[in-house]
Order: sequence, then structure tokens, then C-alpha cells
Amino acid sequence: DGGITQSPKYLFRKEGQNVTLSCEQNLNHDAMYWYRQDPGQGLRLIYYSQIVNDFQKGDIAEGYSVSREKKESFPLTVTSAQKNPTAFYLCASSKGQGFEQYFGPGTRLTVT
Amino acid sequence: AQSVTQLDSHVSVSEGTPVLLRCNYSSSYSPSLFWYVQHPNKGLQLLLKYTSAATLVKGINGFEAEFKKSETSFHLTKPSAHMSDAAEYFCVVRSSGPNAGGTSYGKLTFGQGTILTVHP
Repeated sequence: DGGITQSPKYLFRKEGQNVTLSCEQNLNHDAMYWYRQDPGQGLRLIYYSQIVNDFQKGDIAEGYSVSREKKESFPLTVTSAQKNPTAFYLCASSKGQGFEQYFGPGTRLTVT
Repeated sequence: AQSVTQLDSHVSVSEGTPVLLRCNYSSSYSPSLFWYVQHPNKGLQLLLKYTSAATLVKGINGFEAEFKKSETSFHLTKPSAHMSDAAEYFCVVRSSGPNAGGTSYGKLTFGQGTILTVHP
């Protein structure tokens, strides 16, 4: 069964702590993406990666970091520098840039 | 530059009546357009896509959308709403064109979303 998995589904952290969200895909896709979703704002691109060992900042990269050491995995770290980290985070992948994106089920992060 | 405007933040219909979710777009080049659906606390599922072939696009679950270049619109319709259609819907434009290479090529721009409520 091919797809994208994100874990955990719900995550709670204290302010000032870094937290890493997992995203794994077994679709053999080259490109992977992280989006943040807030109510009434649609999805905004945080980071994307076109190929292993390469990634680019999206529209709202401040306070976030990523790595792409394996084709299947694209973890996102929400650092303590992110001023408003509470949100729903969605990971996506595609064959390449310009191809249809497939989305994971999301992780809801709550920071108090 | 590209942008997407979903004209209604909320739409409420009765079960069995037609659904219309409105979307206008702006794009420097011939766009690719998509509609995604999201059920609560779930990921996004692709409903349908327009990529410069037929202007009337049929998708899953009885939805369809018509690309109207003269009106820069890509409205989503369904003849008869079902309770299971209640969800949030996103209109999305994808960049393309000779000057959209490099980092901007293939970038998705999302509308703000339309929440569809279906009453029994």
C-alpha cells in the first residue's frame, strides 16, 4: 500500500522546546513538501525538497528546519524561534516539481 | 505572480440540492488548476484537476469544474449534495510558463478554503 505517513497525529509541547515532525513516503517520489495550515488561511509552504540532500525555503521558513538524507523521509523541526507554532502541519510528495502532489494525514501541533 | 480567491468562506446547502463553490484565479501563464477536499483533521484529497485539456473537468464523487479563461474562474459544482460532502474545499493554482522555472516552477498557491455544510 503506497502512501504518505505522518506521525504522530497529535503532538503537544511546551513553549521553548524544539519538536520534530515525521514524514515518510513509499511512493518513490523525488519531491517532498511541508505546509502549515491555519484556520481561514489555506495552506502555506514552509520548505520543499526536489531531491535527496537538497531543500529550499518556502514562503514561511523562519523558525523551521528540515533535512532530506533519504528519499523516503523529510522530517520538519519546529524550533523555539517559531513565534506561533500551534498549527496543523501537512506533508506532501510528488514525482517531481510540477507533478501532482499527494498529501499525508497531517500532524496537529499544540504548543502551550 | 499567481493568486487564488475563493469567493465564499462558508456555503450551506440541503441534501439533494446543487453545490456551487466559486474560485477565481490570477496567473501570468496558462495555469494548472486543482480542487482538493479536506475532511476534519485529515489530509487533502485531490477531487479534480485542469491541465489545459478539456475545459470541463470531471472528478471523483460526482464533482466537476469548468475552466473559463475569459472569466478567470474555476468553479466547482455537483448536481446533488450528499451528507458525506460536508468538508472544506480548496482551489489551487500551479505555476507554469517560461519565466516560472527554478524555484517557482510547480509551486502550488492555495485559496483560503470554503467550508461546505450539508443539512439533512
